[in-house]
Amino acid sequence: AQSVTQLGSHVSVSEGALVLLRCNYSSSVPPYLFWYVQYPNQGLQLLLKYTSAATLVKGINGFEAEFKKSETSFHLTKPSAHMSDAAEYFCAVSDQGGSEKLVFGKGMKLTVNP
Amino acid sequence: DTGVSQDPRHKITKRGQNVTFRCDPISEHNRLYWYRQTLGQGPEFLTYFQNEAQLEKSRLLSDRFSAERPKGSFSTLEIQRTEQGDSAMYLCASSLWALREQFFGPGTRLTVL
Repeated sequence: AQSVTQLGSHVSVSEGALVLLRCNYSSSVPPYLFWYVQYPNQGLQLLLKYTSAATLVKGINGFEAEFKKSETSFHLTKPSAHMSDAAEYFCAVSDQGGSEKLVFGKGMKLTVNP
Repeated sequence: DTGVSQDPRHKITKRGQNVTFRCDPISEHNRLYWYRQTLGQGPEFLTYFQNEAQLEKSRLLSDRFSAERPKGSFSTLEIQRTEQGDSAMYLCASSLWALREQFFGPGTRLTVL
């Protein structure tokens, strides 16, 4: 079965600093990978997705992620954090079967300090 | 089209009562998913529909849970005889099959007292 792992639950950065959120996946076949962001009491918004095209994926709000097969990783980065980036971030893998259901990690809460 | 909508946004109920949630997907999307999210966890898959057919149900979906999508449009999720463990955020998402991009609604937060 496919799965993703997000180690830790909370990361804190200063405004203007690099944001790095880690995600490792487990899949026996080439995966489809996603990063979603969730603001308090809201649903999830898609930041970016990897679907086996370019390994460096650019998303919304200045975020990008790099797929590294050798490391089974799909880490999310942003060069310069903004206060509005404070939210919870979820990595997910899409089921390779017909359902395309998403399997999520536990999430990472990002705090941005002024 | 304003995206996926869910109603109500919040529901407080007493243990043993029945509750029903509604999800309106993006109009041209043929797939609709339900997920449950508990505090401090990522969403977990419950069930999904392709058009009006319910094609998969998770083991998380006990006999007290039922979902429908009549006519392949909106969907309802009913929980009978609610328990305190049912307290969670229930998320709905829709997609076009094979595009692998799910759009989420704002969720319904259920509190069972």
